[in-house]
Amino acid sequence: SQELEQSPQSLIVQEGKNLTINCTSSKTLYGLYWYKQKYGEGLIFLMMLQKGGEEKSHEKITAKLDEKKQQSSLHITASQPSHAGIYLCGASPLQGAQKLVFGQGTRLTINP
Amino acid sequence: KAGVTQTPRYLIKTRGQQVTLSCSPISGHRSVSWYQQTPGQGLQFLFEYFSETQRNKGNFPGRFSGRQFSNSRSEMNVSTLELGDSALYLCASSGGRSIYEQYFGPGTRLTVT
Repeated sequence: SQELEQSPQSLIVQEGKNLTINCTSSKTLYGLYWYKQKYGEGLIFLMMLQKGGEEKSHEKITAKLDEKKQQSSLHITASQPSHAGIYLCGASPLQGAQKLVFGQGTRLTINP
Repeated sequence: KAGVTQTPRYLIKTRGQQVTLSCSPISGHRSVSWYQQTPGQGLQFLFEYFSETQRNKGNFPGRFSGRQFSNSRSEMNVSTLELGDSALYLCASSGGRSIYEQYFGPGTRLTVT
């Protein structure tokens, strides 16, 4: 079965600093999703990447999917306290399937 | 547009009981997926419904079942509850303009005592 590895598991950064979270799979990823979750709450959709080499940005968050579609990164520029939370990557093991497997999450803390 | 809604938000049940959770997708979305989130296992896929038919299923015992109605609303049922069923149950809907984008609801926190 497909497994997603996220790194780091936790991250503490100073407000205003940039940071990167990685998501890696041993298999090809079909539809790579990034979500943010506040503890015990629902997942907030950030971005979805489908094509190798694809890059998307929303406000200060940029996500990329490598050409082989096995690795994705989420980059936050000039971090703010509102960026704090748990970031999860998810992917479909089958093309077009709405059946996602998720990484274990990265807990992001922003220090003022 | 209203987001995905789930009811109830919190639930406490006793071992052996059964429970039904409800999910209303975003208007126009026809696919509803259910996930279980626990500290130990993380987020795990339960099943997906599309046009009232189960389209995908995860590796959960038969005590976990679901259904979808003609208005795309979905229910999930867990029978003979066990302590290990305590979890946050999340549903997600998809099928809008970008058909594969999945949007999650706030979840139902189930505690089994």
